[in-house]
Amino acid sequence: EIVLTQSPGTLSLSPGERATLSCRASQSVSSSYLAWYQQKPGQAPRLLIYGASSRATGIPDRFSGSGSGTDFTLTISRLEPEDFAVYYCQQYGSSPRAFGGGTKVEIK
Amino acid sequence: EVQLVESGGGLVQPGRSLRLSCAASGFTFDDYAMHWVRQAPGKGLEWVSGISWNSGSIGYADSVKGRFTISRDNAKNSLYLQMNSLRAEDTALYYCAKDQGIVGAAPFDYWGQGTLVTVSS
Repeated sequence: EIVLTQSPGTLSLSPGERATLSCRASQSVSSSYLAWYQQKPGQAPRLLIYGASSRATGIPDRFSGSGSGTDFTLTISRLEPEDFAVYYCQQYGSSPRAFGGGTKVEIK
Repeated sequence: EVQLVESGGGLVQPGRSLRLSCAASGFTFDDYAMHWVRQAPGKGLEWVSGISWNSGSIGYADSVKGRFTISRDNAKNSLYLQMNSLRAEDTALYYCAKDQGIVGAAPFDYWGQGTLVTVSS
């Protein structure tokens, strides 16, 4: 069973700054089957990135994903006010399709 | 437009049962694997269970194995989760989610708004 660890737990940044979120897997994620989701309060999660680096439909290009094996990164190049939210990584290459614990990006 | 609408949540006593439903529309339901994901109040996401398009492949989280049963009715475009022997720690918002792809491993590209299950005496 793959366990995903996200860091940091909370990221305090200002609009316009760059955000770098980390997701580390306890074992290699097959074929980079790693996704990132954004969740805002009172809303369902939204798929941002799949295959470690492919943006989902309608996702702005300020969001980018990278990594392979056990280390993955979500980068938001310049934070917009609507980007302050909780972000989760998920591996979907094996069962159980585990999620990481989340990183909250908050306004500094 | 893809829509996933969960129902069946509510307040239930420990040890009792509850059946959740998810009504799907806007896509060819029997082409896609489907999943249940839950989120305890103030906590993160937890994958609960998933089922392939033809019910031939089913998986459960260890935390619910032996107590929960996932099923689907492709004729009714519906997904279900039968939850037995409920515990306080099963209290959560339960989301229905759709696989992005038809073939192979895929992330979840559409989610419902969730149905709240509260287990308490």
